[in-house]
Amino acid sequence: QLVESGGGLIQPGGSLRLSCGASGFNFGDYWMHWVRQSPGKGLEWVSRANNDASSTTYADSVKGRFTISRDNARNMVYLDMRSLRAEDTAVYYCARRFPSGEYYFLDHWGQGTLVIVSS
Amino acid sequence: EIVLTQSPATLSLSPGERATLSCRASQWVDKNHLAWYQHKPGQAPRVLIFRTSNRATGIPDRFSGSGSGTDFTLTISSLEPEDFAVYYCQQHATSPELTFGGGTKVDIK
Repeated sequence: QLVESGGGLIQPGGSLRLSCGASGFNFGDYWMHWVRQSPGKGLEWVSRANNDASSTTYADSVKGRFTISRDNARNMVYLDMRSLRAEDTAVYYCARRFPSGEYYFLDHWGQGTLVIVSS
Repeated sequence: EIVLTQSPATLSLSPGERATLSCRASQWVDKNHLAWYQHKPGQAPRVLIFRTSNRATGIPDRFSGSGSGTDFTLTISSLEPEDFAVYYCQQHATSPELTFGGGTKVDIK
């Protein structure tokens, strides 16, 4: 199970930390992702951390503003967001990558947490 | 960057009808990295198909995927009431790491 938290209303230029708690599986075995969906839009990939967060990647739209991290001891993955813009308004989902070097897909997703960036 | 274009944007069908959803890539896509998801309002997205044509665990056999190169298809052989949703294709590349198509909404006619 993946459960996101930390969403809310934040002013433009502000910062927010999203959290995602994992249970029911060996968290350290999985790469973790953040994907978002803006109102009326489709899914947009945001960021990825490998098993120990020694490797992270970001969409160009958030690079330099968002940081993904994880705490394997606590089974948590985080998304630190700063310099937030109106276009960052979205439901943010955490998801795990199916643990295969051959296939690439997200096999389990959380329910999402809503971030609204508005003054 | 590989762009995935899904068509049609909306598909209006009746229960029992066949749905054919298209996903076209702007460049060649490794079929091992092509997946399809179902997303209903207020719910978590759910993977249906991975590796172009493999059904994920628990997915009914009315869902099937096919394709190669730049053209991929998700077919629902006979729509059930619970299948009315938005469907997304997804591919993996170097940068960005994942790309989703714009989605196809399957709604009730």
